Order: sequence, then C-alpha cells, then structure tokens
Amino acid sequence: QKEVEQDPGPLSVPEGAIVSLNCTYSNSAFQYFMWYRQYSRKGPELLMYTYSSGNKEDGRFTAQVDKSSKYISLFIRDSQPSDSATYLCAMRSPRYFGNEKLTFGTGTRLTIIP
Amino acid sequence: GAGVSQSPSNKVTEKGKDVELRCDPISGHTALYWYRQSLGQGLEFLIYFQGNSAPDKSGLPSDRFSAERTGGSVSTLTIQRTQQEDSAVYLCASSARGQGIEAFFGQGTRLTVV
Repeated sequence: QKEVEQDPGPLSVPEGAIVSLNCTYSNSAFQYFMWYRQYSRKGPELLMYTYSSGNKEDGRFTAQVDKSSKYISLFIRDSQPSDSATYLCAMRSPRYFGNEKLTFGTGTRLTIIP
Repeated sequence: GAGVSQSPSNKVTEKGKDVELRCDPISGHTALYWYRQSLGQGLEFLIYFQGNSAPDKSGLPSDRFSAERTGGSVSTLTIQRTQQEDSAVYLCASSARGQGIEAFFGQGTRLTVV
C-alpha cells in the first residue's frame, strides 16, 4: 500500500464549477501538507501549503487537512480553463523524524471544459 | 538564476550507456532534491542534499544511480549502464530553508533509454 493515495482521474468539469481534489495517507507522522500544480511538460508549481489540521484559503483555492481521518482536500472555486493541469498532493514529517523528503500522490489530471 | 535550471531538457540514450543530468538550484538555496516521475507513478524521491551534511540517498533505486553536489550549488545525477526502466522525467528542486516546504522545481530532464 502506498503512503499517499490519490485518484488519478481524469476529472472533467465545466467552467465555473467547484472542483474537489483529495488525497488520503497512512503515515500519521506527516505534519506538512502541500498541493502542487503541474502543467504538461513543466515542473510542479507549489500552490498551497498547510501545517497540521485546518483550512487555508488563497484566492479561489482552499486547502483542508483532516488529520484524524488522514485526508486532505483542495477546492477550486469558479474553475477556469487555465486550471486544467495535473494536481499533486505532497506531504512530509517534521525534521526531527529525520526524514525530510516530500512524499507525493500520483496526481489527478483535471480538465476544465469552457 | 531566477529559477531552478536543469539540463539537458531531453536526453535519448542507448541501453547500457551512462548519462549525466545537471541541476542548477536557485542561488542561495541550501537544500536540493532529486525526484523521478514515471507515467502514473507520481514523484519518486531519489536523493536529498542539505548544506554540508551527508546526503540522504535512501531513494536511489540501485547502485547504478549516484549524485553529487559541488560547492553546495550545482548537482549532477549520474546513471550508469542505463536500462529501459530508467526512462522517466528527472526533476530537481531546491529550497531556501531545508524544510522542503517551499520547494521550487525545475522543468525536468526527460530521459528515454532505447
């Protein structure tokens, strides 16, 4: 079983819809949670970062972390065609665990239909 | 430079040949990561450098893979005796604080072993 599970999609939604992207994880040591956006043939771009549980909002993007359920989400409001990309979740344990690598989900391919 | 720079952007090599992939991190960034991205597999951690500390090599898949970082800046990932299963996009990321949280990725090197 992978440490981080993410539905690969593909997911297609009409422009203006609310998009929900999710990941589950098994390692309870994870404390830092990130969402990256990756356009085709480009490197991943950091979108959101959240520490421990809670919500964080940035413009049209909201990240949620539920550590009790080991479940994280990214919501995109008023989706635009330019949001079409692959979205990757990533997470990491604190430095004192001696492991600073980011563990990624496989990514969800999202298409926003004009 | 303005961002993480990787070269070459594409590399086609024959099975059994050695290849070197280069990463120029953002100036001043002390942490440097190498990841591999295969189709449908997400990002796989390879190796992590932090300042003058011993690198975390726990993700290197075999002894054919090695990496070095000279002068705390440029890094080279070397794959010896390449195999077809080594075909992937190799991504480099750097971070200012070694936290890995705000890790900025390069565009990647697409390696094809024929």
